[in-house]
Amino acid sequence: GAGVSQSPRYKVTKRGQDVTLRCDPISSHATLYWYQQALGQGPEFLTYFNYEAQPDKSGLPSDRFSAERPEGSISTLTIQRTEQRDSAMYRCASSPSSSGANEQFFGPGTRLTVL
Amino acid sequence: GQQLNQSPQSMFIQEGEDVSMNCTSSSIFNTWLWYKQDPGEGPVLLIALYKAGELTSNGRLTAQFGITRKDSFLNISASIPSDVGIYFCAGPRIQGAQKLVFGQGTRLTINP
Repeated sequence: GAGVSQSPRYKVTKRGQDVTLRCDPISSHATLYWYQQALGQGPEFLTYFNYEAQPDKSGLPSDRFSAERPEGSISTLTIQRTEQRDSAMYRCASSPSSSGANEQFFGPGTRLTVL
Repeated sequence: GQQLNQSPQSMFIQEGEDVSMNCTSSSIFNTWLWYKQDPGEGPVLLIALYKAGELTSNGRLTAQFGITRKDSFLNISASIPSDVGIYFCAGPRIQGAQKLVFGQGTRLTINP
């Protein structure tokens, strides 16, 4: 596609529910990143994929968070048993390069609100 | 938490004025990236810096990689209304790492 797309753009859920967010990276981009961005803050790294491999998931806040990229293209971020503190903008980015963190192209984000 | 400190946190300027903002860290960075985030959009890369002392321009934007490798500066000359947004510095904390750390952003507001 022309750019990184994410869906849904907005998600409101009740505490305790599971949510799954989707990211469509720029086609042929090797690397895909997930970030969490709180209001008034910069994005914070959650995890990244190099094709389907997930070399670093050190930023995931708890074991309730998981991400997949089974075919090395589309990725999903799942949050189980959501809590109010999970409310944030979740951003996906992709990069053509698998070496180094430069030139990341960001999607518009999914704003998650947990009631 | 954030490992890069940006200042100022917000700026209110008149159209046509020049803008300066900076980003500092207690750790050395080998790459500095400056992003701009428009309302409702994701961050967009403006300038990338790879060498201490490097000065790079992109139109009216100029960024510098500090000699100590612990800071970077972004200047915007002759600001225009479309410069409004949040400016983030970012970099990989470890050279060659995929993981980026971001500052908390500088919010720029321009009075026409």
